[in-house]
Amino acid sequence: EAGVVQSPRYKIIEKKQPVAFWCNPISGHNTLYWYLQNLGQGPELLIRYENEEAVDDSQLPKDRFSAERLKGVDSTLKIQPAELGDSAVYLCASSLGGSGAAGQYNEQFFGPGTRLTVL
Amino acid sequence: EDQVTQSPEALRLQEGESSSLNCSYTVSGLRGLFWYRQDPGKGPEFLFTLYSAGEEKEKERLKATLTKKESFLHITAPKPEDSATYLCAVQAYFGNEKLTFGTGTRLTIIP
Repeated sequence: EAGVVQSPRYKIIEKKQPVAFWCNPISGHNTLYWYLQNLGQGPELLIRYENEEAVDDSQLPKDRFSAERLKGVDSTLKIQPAELGDSAVYLCASSLGGSGAAGQYNEQFFGPGTRLTVL
Repeated sequence: EDQVTQSPEALRLQEGESSSLNCSYTVSGLRGLFWYRQDPGKGPEFLFTLYSAGEEKEKERLKATLTKKESFLHITAPKPEDSATYLCAVQAYFGNEKLTFGTGTRLTIIP
C-alpha cells in the first residue's frame, strides 16, 4: 500500500516569493493534516481536513498561508509571500477516520515532508 | 494547554544495552498517547497508540507503557538500526484531533 506522497521534497526560494506544497494521502483516508516541523522540534498542526472541509485551521497564519483540498483527496498548502521564518519542514499526514474516530481509524500516518528554505 | 516533555533529549547506548525513554504529559482528558520514530530527512513513522493507564504494546524490541502522567518506551537489546529520534504525542478529547508533540529523544546505538 502506498504511503502519503508529498512533493516537492525540497524547495529553496527567496523571501517574498510564493511557494506551494502538494500532498496525496493514503487511499481511502478521509482526514488530512498539514503540520510544520522546525529543526529539533516536534510537528505542530497547521490545518486539518475531513474530506474537503477544513474543520480546524486555528493554527494556520491566514495572512500568508492558504490550503485547499478539492474533491476531498489531494491537498495543496500555499505560502504567499514567504518569509525567512517560514523555513521548516512541512509534513502532510492522513488518517482513516474523522472526529471521534478510535483505534486504527485514529492513527495518523505521515509523508516524508517538504523541506523549505527561504533565503 | 496540553504539554509533552520528553527525556532525555539524547541518549547513546551500546548495542544490546537496554534502556527507557520517558514522555511526561499534561492534557485535559487524554484520548490517546502516540509514539513515532523519525529518521533524518523522513517523516514520523507510527509505532504505537496507548489509550488507558496500564496499557502496554510491543513491537520487536520496543515496548510502550502508559500511566496517568507519563509513558515509557522501553528498548530491549537495541541494534544500530534502532537509532532514530523517538517522538511522543498526546491527543485530547477536546483538542480537535490535534496531536501535541514533544521535542523527541535522539537515540544513538553504537555497534
